[in-house]
Amino acid sequence: GAVVSQHPSWVICKSGTSVKIECRSLDFQATTMFWYRQFPKQSLMLMATSNEGSKATYEQGVEKDKFLINHASLTLSTLTVTSAHPEDSSFYICSAREPGRQPQHFGDGTRLSIL
Amino acid sequence: GENVEQHPSTLSVQEGDSAVIKCTYSDSASNYFPWYKQELGKRPQLIIDIRSNVGEKKDQRIAVTLNKTAKHFSLHITETQPEDSAVYFCAATSGTDKLIFGTGTRLQVFP
Repeated sequence: GAVVSQHPSWVICKSGTSVKIECRSLDFQATTMFWYRQFPKQSLMLMATSNEGSKATYEQGVEKDKFLINHASLTLSTLTVTSAHPEDSSFYICSAREPGRQPQHFGDGTRLSIL
Repeated sequence: GENVEQHPSTLSVQEGDSAVIKCTYSDSASNYFPWYKQELGKRPQLIIDIRSNVGEKKDQRIAVTLNKTAKHFSLHITETQPEDSAVYFCAATSGTDKLIFGTGTRLQVFP
């Protein structure tokens, strides 16, 4: 079945550091990928839609200069949290689906802890 | 945009009993409704889904019903087992493909 790989699975870093998270579709091409953020005991909140070869579409309230998204190929999207601060600590998870098919497949998520 | 409400936020049942989780959505254009089970620190796992042209779908102990007129859909788990304990999320999506999640239900099944 379709697999989405995400790494790293866990990042701990100092405040002010930029962190890059990768999301790959392993056995299918994905023109669109999605990035979610999940705080403890809360739901998954869509941050942005990553579009291959064009700019990402951000949800209301998500700072595009803070969360840089690059989707340079049909199998890879990256999310960079720039100048991360403790309030950016969260569980970040990506998803993608095979063209024309449901469901969406999720990566394993990245737990980001900013000290 | 789409908004999905989910109830209850917590649900405790005795092993063997049934559990029902309900969701409502706002966007009448939504046409795909998946349910996910998420264990602590892990990815959401799809357990069942339903499309807008179907009113009910069943997979062993799990079933989902959809009422398009009322914009309601529900998850039914029968003969619950301790391993069913987890957080369950409903979601809805329309042609934009964006999945909008409900707020989640923490299900506890006591042996």
